[in-house]
Amino acid sequence: QQPVQSPQAVILREGEDAVINCSSSKALYSVHWYRQKHGEAPVFLMILLKGGEQKGHDKISASFNEKKQQSSLYLTASQLSYSGTYFCGTENSGGSNYKLTFGKGTLLTVNP
Amino acid sequence: KAGVTQTPRYLIKTRGQQVTLSCSPISGHRSVSWYQQTPGQGLQFLFEYFSETQRNKGNFPGRFSGRQFSNSRSEMNVSTLELGDSALYLCASSPGLISATNEKLFFGSGTQLSVL
Repeated sequence: QQPVQSPQAVILREGEDAVINCSSSKALYSVHWYRQKHGEAPVFLMILLKGGEQKGHDKISASFNEKKQQSSLYLTASQLSYSGTYFCGTENSGGSNYKLTFGKGTLLTVNP
Repeated sequence: KAGVTQTPRYLIKTRGQQVTLSCSPISGHRSVSWYQQTPGQGLQFLFEYFSETQRNKGNFPGRFSGRQFSNSRSEMNVSTLELGDSALYLCASSPGLISATNEKLFFGSGTQLSVL
């Protein structure tokens, strides 16, 4: 039930764009995105609920494709501060059996 | 507002010992969840506590247990430690019960446990 993230790692130059995908084998109720810098706590980016909405703030946005059971995180015009490991967390039930399950993470490195 | 505080920051134990980790949530937050983070598996859910009751549990053996106090502080205990228990243990807090609110989590910096 652990979602699959791809790619596992990506290296960018400042200003380049990246897409991180998160796929689930089960129907999705919600998807959470977090970023963790080395040695620090994961920090919340956004939550998407089923309905195919797209969310974003600054130059980071995400989409939710209910039919494909996947979410994608878009980072545009990357900055050095975007470096870190990105985790998606998926929730499949939305009810009393709620369990947020995280993927193994995507390591993003932005170089000058 | 102070963030989520976890103590200790680092722990070294030997196989067979037991360990207790502590988590103080953000003031006013009533839900505390625990996660195990390893390089190979990412973040794995251990359990969630709300109002001093365990509300949800992940797929971990019974050696992993926890509790929550009336002030929402939580402790996690691992008994009979194994080498494979070496990991970063993260706790996260949220204002309400996660299963009911689907809110964002506020993570602490974690306790790095090494089992020798």
